[in-house]
Amino acid sequence: NAGVTQTPKFQVLKTGQSMTLQCAQDMNHEYMSWYRQDPGMGLRLIHYSVGAGITDQGEVPNGYNVSRSTTEDFPLRLLSAAPSQTSVYFCASSYSNPTGGSNQPQHFGDGTRLSIL
Amino acid sequence: GQQVMQIPQYQHVQEGEDFTTYCNSSTTLSNIQWYKQRPGGHPVFLIQLVKSGEVKKQKRLTFQFGEAKKNSSLHITATQTTDVGTYFCAGNTGKLIFGQGTTLQVKP
Repeated sequence: NAGVTQTPKFQVLKTGQSMTLQCAQDMNHEYMSWYRQDPGMGLRLIHYSVGAGITDQGEVPNGYNVSRSTTEDFPLRLLSAAPSQTSVYFCASSYSNPTGGSNQPQHFGDGTRLSIL
Repeated sequence: GQQVMQIPQYQHVQEGEDFTTYCNSSTTLSNIQWYKQRPGGHPVFLIQLVKSGEVKKQKRLTFQFGEAKKNSSLHITATQTTDVGTYFCAGNTGKLIFGQGTTLQVKP
């Protein structure tokens, strides 16, 4: 199994450009999520999905859109990139919602390092 | 705002010394998870604590969940260079909120 695959690994954008970060998992996990990681800030939840066709906002959703048309894929779209969105983005998945109470470890992808100029 | 605070932000220890990182939440947590991220890598799940006062051990690592389920700690006994990385707690407040992480450096 490949686990959680994120593409691209690195990207440089100009302010105002749009882009989609791809995330795919082959573990048949229902729950998927996107985080951004900034120095001293830990991991902040952007959007999450508890299953195909269902998405919800996390802590820092502004400037980002998501969709979940299939169980496997959970793309993150930057509508109009801003320098404040320079960050490392991680996609994660788990069998079910990790806030549901049962032991649901999240499996993370390798991350996308995004720079906005 | 951030509801799960983690301290210290950085810790440098000599190999063989002990290390502890602490997590504190402003609200009661349903459970708490701990992750480790090696430099340049991605977070890897270590453990989940659910019960009030729970203590779990993994070799040299000891995890505790407070009686009030608002705080947690990770203690590493006799650190090794392989312990280098950033340790994150993630508290379940209805959403999974990560602490800022503690970065551990170990001098051989």
